Amino acid sequence: EDQVTQSPEALRLQEGESSSLNCSYTVSGLRGLFWYRQDPGKGPEFLFTLYSAGEEKEKERLKATLTKKESFLHITAPKPEDSATYLCAAYGGATNKLIFGTGTLLAVQP
Amino acid sequence: NAGVTQTPKFQVLKTGQSMTLQCAQDMNHNSMYWYRQDPGMGLRLIYYSASEGTTDKGEVPNGYNVSRLNKREFSLRLESAAPSQTSVYFCASRELEGGPYEQYFGPGTRLTVT
Repeated sequence: EDQVTQSPEALRLQEGESSSLNCSYTVSGLRGLFWYRQDPGKGPEFLFTLYSAGEEKEKERLKATLTKKESFLHITAPKPEDSATYLCAAYGGATNKLIFGTGTLLAVQP
Repeated sequence: NAGVTQTPKFQVLKTGQSMTLQCAQDMNHNSMYWYRQDPGMGLRLIYYSASEGTTDKGEVPNGYNVSRLNKREFSLRLESAAPSQTSVYFCASRELEGGPYEQYFGPGTRLTVT
């Protein structure tokens, strides 16, 4: 069964304390791995697409990487404004649809 | 560009009432989607429209109907609302069914059914 699992469910960091969020996927025929940011009461905001193992994408303090089984979202020297829920989604598999994980709630304290 | 817009932002219904959620996009995208988001379950696809004139069921279509009114607009209808349909509903769009695959989301409609 196609599945996307994110860990941890919640993460609390001090400002400046770097860390990584994990997204494990079991999706046959992966055609894309996506990261979104979701603020409370808002819709998911697109961050990155990764297409193949070894690919990396960066945006400000965020860097996304992809292997054949998982993706990581590295957050370097986070700021309070990086606090949000980060969603991972994989496209492909039996249904050829976007399959979402349940997200990691990140809180960055000043 | 407004991107993807949704109306209303909030709605409270009584069991058995009907309503239509509206979605519009101004990015000239071909594909449009309706999702629901519930705590601990992630986003789940209700219905989608790969292109104007076509609609298909997603993972959780029961109790819903959709209409792709034109290329810009995709509506979701609840004919007889049930408490299990209390959720946050998101509309999304994508440029082409064949790729690129990233979807862009609207701000959501928070629906409560009592």
